Amino acid sequence: DAGVTQSPTHLIKTRGQQVTLRCSPKSGHDTVSWYQQALGQGPQFIFQYYEEEERQRGNFPDRFSGHQFPNYSSELNVNALLLGDSALYLCASSTPLGTGTYGYTFGSGTRLTVV
Amino acid sequence: SQQGEEDPQALSIQEGENATMNCSYKTSINNLQWYRQNSGRGLVHLILIRSNEREKHSGRLRVTLDTSKKSSSLLITASRAADTASYFCATVRGTGGFKTIFGAGTRLFVKA
Repeated sequence: DAGVTQSPTHLIKTRGQQVTLRCSPKSGHDTVSWYQQALGQGPQFIFQYYEEEERQRGNFPDRFSGHQFPNYSSELNVNALLLGDSALYLCASSTPLGTGTYGYTFGSGTRLTVV
Repeated sequence: SQQGEEDPQALSIQEGENATMNCSYKTSINNLQWYRQNSGRGLVHLILIRSNEREKHSGRLRVTLDTSKKSSSLLITASRAADTASYFCATVRGTGGFKTIFGAGTRLFVKA
């Protein structure tokens, strides 16, 4: 039973560029959440997708956008990259009620470096 | 901003000793969860405690929750070198699990 799969694992981009990160949730999960984790910090909530819609959003600018597909996979897009966007981006999947029982299942993350 | 704040920020102990980490939060919650992260990889869910529970056990883990003080503690008994990791508390508000908020974490180092 595959867990959460994220791609790519590492990425280097230049300031001003755009990036797309991808996530396939754990089998049986239909809710995908994205987190940004700066070095030495805890994960910061970006947004959550359920039924192909953004259900909740954290304190991130509109440069951060996402999408969820009918197969529950998700993309995180970041436009006009800044040096401060360098971080580990984590995808977490769950069922709508599962987070209250079993918690999230996390992927291994995408390490984004902006130069 | 982060809802949960862990204490201490870092902890170094000998193998076999117990490790205690604390988490404080600011608003009412539906449940509180603890996660482990090894070397900047993905987080692993350890244990969940609901707002109407006071204590929960899972193997060598013991979690307590005091909603009146808005605090929780994670106790790892008989620690092992493999327990070396960062530990995060996460608070969940409302139903559906959206907007699970993580603290800054406690970095635990267990010396063999």
